[in-house]
Amino acid sequence: DGGITQSPKYLFRKEGQNVTLSCEQNLNHDAMYWYRQDPGQGLRLIYYSQIVNDFQKGDIAEGYSVSREKKESFPLTVTSAQKNPTAFYLCASSISAGLAGETQYFGPGTRLLVL
Amino acid sequence: RKEVEQDPGPFNVPEGATVAFNCTYSNSASQSFFWYRQDCRKEPKLLMSVYSSGNEDGRFTAQLNRASQYISLLIRDSKLSDSATYLCVVNPPNAGNMLTFGGGTRLMVKP
Repeated sequence: DGGITQSPKYLFRKEGQNVTLSCEQNLNHDAMYWYRQDPGQGLRLIYYSQIVNDFQKGDIAEGYSVSREKKESFPLTVTSAQKNPTAFYLCASSISAGLAGETQYFGPGTRLLVL
Repeated sequence: RKEVEQDPGPFNVPEGATVAFNCTYSNSASQSFFWYRQDCRKEPKLLMSVYSSGNEDGRFTAQLNRASQYISLLIRDSKLSDSATYLCVVNPPNAGNMLTFGGGTRLMVKP
């Protein structure tokens, strides 16, 4: 099956802890994205990557970090600097990030809760 | 003003009803427009793209009004399975494939 997988489905973070959310795709897409969704709000872009070894900050990058060492993988680390991390985190991919109008396909998401 | 604005609802309609949602966007030079569907606690999925000439897919019709900067989604003959949140999504100018999401409109179809 082709698609995007995210793990874990639920993640609990303690104060001062860094946690890493996994995102893998086997669609051979160049572009990958991380979004955050808060209740009743639209998705907000955290980071995106157009190609391996390259990534750019989105609208709300503070307190987050990413890497793109492989085309298939785009992990997101929520650092202790992110003071309000409780949210639904969604990973997406598209064929490219440079052309407007390309469909973005989403993974099932990870719910992060702070203990 | 938000870049993409939607009425959050909920819209409560009986099965078989016709329901319409509007969405306004702030940047008149926006290029591409989409409706995504998001079920409760699930990921968004593309419902349909919105073309300048309007487009129809079965019971769903999307329209774009560039002069007034809004897009609409019409659902005819509502089914229980249409209950979801509908996200209006806009591709701003000079932003490649970056998307701006509205907060969503919640639809509840009742028997």
